[in-house]
Amino acid sequence: AQSVTQPDIHITVSEGASLELRCNYSYGATPYLFWYVQSPGQGLQLLLKYFSGDTLVQGIKGFEAEFKRSQSSFNLRKPSVHWSDAAEYFCAVQTGGFKTIFGAGTRLFVKA
Amino acid sequence: DVKVTQSSRYLVKRTGEKVFLECVQDMDHENMFWYRQDPGLGLRLIYFSYDVKMKEKGDIPEGYSVSREKKERFSLILESASTNQTSMYLCASSQRQTGSNIQYFGAGTRLSVL
Repeated sequence: AQSVTQPDIHITVSEGASLELRCNYSYGATPYLFWYVQSPGQGLQLLLKYFSGDTLVQGIKGFEAEFKRSQSSFNLRKPSVHWSDAAEYFCAVQTGGFKTIFGAGTRLFVKA
Repeated sequence: DVKVTQSSRYLVKRTGEKVFLECVQDMDHENMFWYRQDPGLGLRLIYFSYDVKMKEKGDIPEGYSVSREKKERFSLILESASTNQTSMYLCASSQRQTGSNIQYFGAGTRLSVL
């Protein structure tokens, strides 16, 4: 069965420091991959997506993610974190059809 | 911009009550979804609909039903609310094409069942 693993339940980084959030998926072929962000009290907003082509994708708010087929990973990165980036981040996979499988989420804390 | 509106941000209901959660989208999307979000579990799909009057069970449909009488509206129904249904409920919509559709989410309804 398809699955998405976000190994870090929460991460704390200092403002201005770099960030990497990990995501691994289990699927036999290349899925469609997404990162969503959820600010407190809000729904999810799409940060970026990978469908095909260049394995490094750029998203909104200065985020990027790299698809590595050999590692079944799609890690999210940002070179310099801002306090407003504090939120919960969800990695998600679509394998065809209508369903999307979400990871359990990683909550990001930013310290001054 | 796509807008997905959930009728209530917070609801408090009593055990055994029938509860209706309403969701409306304004972008003529064919697909609509109801998720439940619990800490440490991410989002779990309850039901989805790919057309008016069509519905498919998701991963955790027990204790829930849905209704889609109009394209823009997708309702989640708790026939007899129980305390284990206390959760955050998220509605989403997407366009028809399969496999690569971006989902647009409402702000969520936080339901407490006492």
